[in-house]
Amino acid sequence: EEQLVESGGGLGQRGGSLRLSCEASGFSFSSYSMHWVRQAPGKGLEWVSFISSGGSTVYYADSVMGRFTISRDNAKNSLHLEMSSLRDEDTAVYYCARDRKYYFDSWGQGILVTVSS
Amino acid sequence: EIVLTQSPATLSLSPGERATLSCRASQSVRNYLAWYQQKPGQAPRLLIYDASNRAPGIPARFSGSGSGTDFTLTITNLEPEDFAVYYCQQRSIWPPLTFGGGTKVEI
Repeated sequence: EEQLVESGGGLGQRGGSLRLSCEASGFSFSSYSMHWVRQAPGKGLEWVSFISSGGSTVYYADSVMGRFTISRDNAKNSLHLEMSSLRDEDTAVYYCARDRKYYFDSWGQGILVTVSS
Repeated sequence: EIVLTQSPATLSLSPGERATLSCRASQSVRNYLAWYQQKPGQAPRLLIYDASNRAPGIPARFSGSGSGTDFTLTITNLEPEDFAVYYCQQRSIWPPLTFGGGTKVEI
């Protein structure tokens, strides 16, 4: 059974940086594109970023463009999100999700990022 | 950016009843629409993709319909575990991939 486990969240300083990771198991990670999706407390879902299976194609939401960087290490079955210039509005639960035709067919349990001064 | 509007915001029903949830797109998304279920404290779960295809393991009481700009998720014979928040999502024109604001199905 496929599993996605996020790590690296916690408290981040406003204007600072955090790095999220997602470890994949139970499926051929290198064959799948991946996404990050976030959910602010009590709010709906917001797509954040996409990376193709080989890592050559990446997309970002306008809200994080230029501040966040998505990457992957297929040898280690891991996905990453480097977050910089953190803002209050980046406070959210961040999910890594597996791509299925640009839908999300498998999700991690989520990791909370809180931005504070 | 395609905006998805879900209605109603909250649906109050009893077990055994039928739930009808709506998702309207700001422009045509053809049939490139999915539905997700999210329970408190849990990650979302894919229910329906391409408007009407159930994801693996999803019970037959969940069905999706529609195309273009108007879509419906129907849950027949509500089970206690179906009370949750439901989101639609489009993949027709992206980035960005966009979600609706959600419909809460409550007892």
